Amino acid sequence: DTEVTQTPKHLVMGMTNKKSLKCEQHMGHRAMYWYKQKAKKPPELMFVYSYEKLSINESVPSRFSPECPNSSLLNLHLHALQPEDSALYLCASSQEGGDNEQYFGPGTRLTVT
Amino acid sequence: EDQVTQSPEALRLQEGESSSLNCSYTVSGLRGLFWYRQDPGKGPEFLFTLYSAGEEKEKERLKATLTKKESFLHITAPKPEDSATYLCAVITGANSKLTFGKGITLSVRP
Repeated sequence: DTEVTQTPKHLVMGMTNKKSLKCEQHMGHRAMYWYKQKAKKPPELMFVYSYEKLSINESVPSRFSPECPNSSLLNLHLHALQPEDSALYLCASSQEGGDNEQYFGPGTRLTVT
Repeated sequence: EDQVTQSPEALRLQEGESSSLNCSYTVSGLRGLFWYRQDPGKGPEFLFTLYSAGEEKEKERLKATLTKKESFLHITAPKPEDSATYLCAVITGANSKLTFGKGITLSVRP
């Protein structure tokens, strides 16, 4: 089973709201990722967790706060977002990072009003 | 800086008309090249990993090949359900960062 699940599927939030995106995998993968994808563009890496520790932060604004509670779960906490943050947010996982293939979830479509 | 270029940007085929999608790369120290398929509004679906020049992988109507400068995704006798955006990505260096090309939007007409 190569399934990564994400909730919610859709989220609409105001600029003063606080919300969280959730991601879960049960493949025993030890690396998990957050990507942001705008329309007709490729995914852009935001964060990488390896063995539950943050290993890469691609200079993402602090209004995005990742969390990895355990090896199967990954959260992205959102606060004071801007309309330009509206996008498809994708979670992915892989075996121990490195050059292993990454498996993506279906994404959360976020709209900031 | 690592660069991945995919061509053409868009490709329209008739059902059954075989073709190839190109991914050329300029990187220092390729560790792996990946092909993904993405349907509108969904996450990328993993297709293939290629690690060294000369390597080939096949799955149903798709075949991926790799040289030292580029990769091809060959589509044999495509069907309308093959319509999607095909993304090429590379991993280089010591981290796990995927560098994506801009993608090729394939449309197969019945």
